[in-house]
Amino acid sequence: SQKIEQNSEALNIQEGKTATLTCNYTNYSPAYLQWYRQDPGRGPVFLLLIRENEKEKRKERLKVTFDTTLKQSLFHITASQPADSATYLCALSGNNRLAFGKGNQVVVIP
Amino acid sequence: GAVVSQHPSRVICKSGTSVKIECRSLDFQATTMFWYRQFPKKSLMLMATSNEGSKATYEQGVEKDKFLINHASLTLSTLTVTSAHPEDSSFYICSATKREGLPDTQYFGPGTRLTVL
Repeated sequence: SQKIEQNSEALNIQEGKTATLTCNYTNYSPAYLQWYRQDPGRGPVFLLLIRENEKEKRKERLKVTFDTTLKQSLFHITASQPADSATYLCALSGNNRLAFGKGNQVVVIP
Repeated sequence: GAVVSQHPSRVICKSGTSVKIECRSLDFQATTMFWYRQFPKKSLMLMATSNEGSKATYEQGVEKDKFLINHASLTLSTLTVTSAHPEDSSFYICSATKREGLPDTQYFGPGTRLTVL
């Protein structure tokens, strides 16, 4: 069966450090992988998209890697700030639709 | 920009009544709109996909007569929860894709919290 796995435990991290989240998937062959941020009681907000032929993508303090052999994406927030505290969702895309993981909560401690 | 609004943001209704939720793309024309529901600490569950002027495509297990979707224009889709019951209480979120946007990238509304008493 198809699965998208993100760590269910919240990641607590000290301000200024790098937060790293993992997204693993099975039985998917996504053309693109996306990361979204979701705050409590709000809809997700698109952050980054990485294509299957791209190894790495950066946007400001965010970095995403995509390894189609390992079927894994890593999401990094460098120089983390308390405002980065949220849940981050991994999404696999194909056929004009998205399949989401459950999300991984990040708590940045001042 | 790519702003999507939803209305209402929160609604409480009695069991047996119907509730309509509106989803609008404010600054772009949406090629496709999607409706999701989300339970606490769970992932977004796709309910249906709709394109302007055509019938919605429902995911397996989603009752189309219970969750009526109307996609009247390129900027408006509505979800009507008919004869709502307490188990329909959930967070409903819509999203839209842009014609010129990144592939499969969806822009989400702020969500609607439905509570059925």
